[in-house]
Amino acid sequence: DIQMTQSPSTLSASVGDRVTITCRASQSISSWLAWYQHKPGKAPQLLIYKASTLESGVPSRFSGSGSGTEFSLTITSLQPDDFATYYCQQYNRYWTFGQGTKVEIK
Amino acid sequence: EVQLVESGGGLVKPGGSLRLSCAASGFTFSVFNMNWVRQAPGKGLEWVASLSTSDRYIYYADSVKGRFTISRDNANNSLYLQMSSLRAEDTAVYYCAKGPRASHFDSWGQGTLVTVSS
Repeated sequence: DIQMTQSPSTLSASVGDRVTITCRASQSISSWLAWYQHKPGKAPQLLIYKASTLESGVPSRFSGSGSGTEFSLTITSLQPDDFATYYCQQYNRYWTFGQGTKVEIK
Repeated sequence: EVQLVESGGGLVKPGGSLRLSCAASGFTFSVFNMNWVRQAPGKGLEWVASLSTSDRYIYYADSVKGRFTISRDNANNSLYLQMSSLRAEDTAVYYCAKGPRASHFDSWGQGTLVTVSS
């Protein structure tokens, strides 16, 4: 099974900050990685797929990079609506999510 | 507008069964892979099961294999998850999600809560 490890688990930041979340795969997954935003009581939302492709309608302050086993999600200039939990997901072989990174207000 | 609406959740005793449904609208249901994902209380997202467009490929997480069955009705734009031999650790919000091929999940429902408790 492919394991996905995110860091940090929690991130405290202020509006306007640049934040980066990392995701590591236990084996190479090429670029078969997605990022999701999830708020309590809401449907998860796709942000990025194929490691760096921005989903239609997602603000350009979100970006993804990486390949192989190391990936990152960056939010430039954090907005109030961005405080949420973020998950990476590999889909190279079946599907596995990272444990999540909660972005909270500093 | 894409809509995925889950239903069928509730309280069930350990060892019991439950059938979840997901009603889809706003897209051509038959051409998308469909998936179930769950989130236990205080935990992260966990993939449960996936089903290809023509039922050709069906995949399950090891944690539910042999107990859960995913199915679809393309004529009625519906996805199902038949759950049996339920355990306390199956307690979670269950989400349905669509995706292009065996790929990422591009739209999700708001979920239905399943509680397994005596």
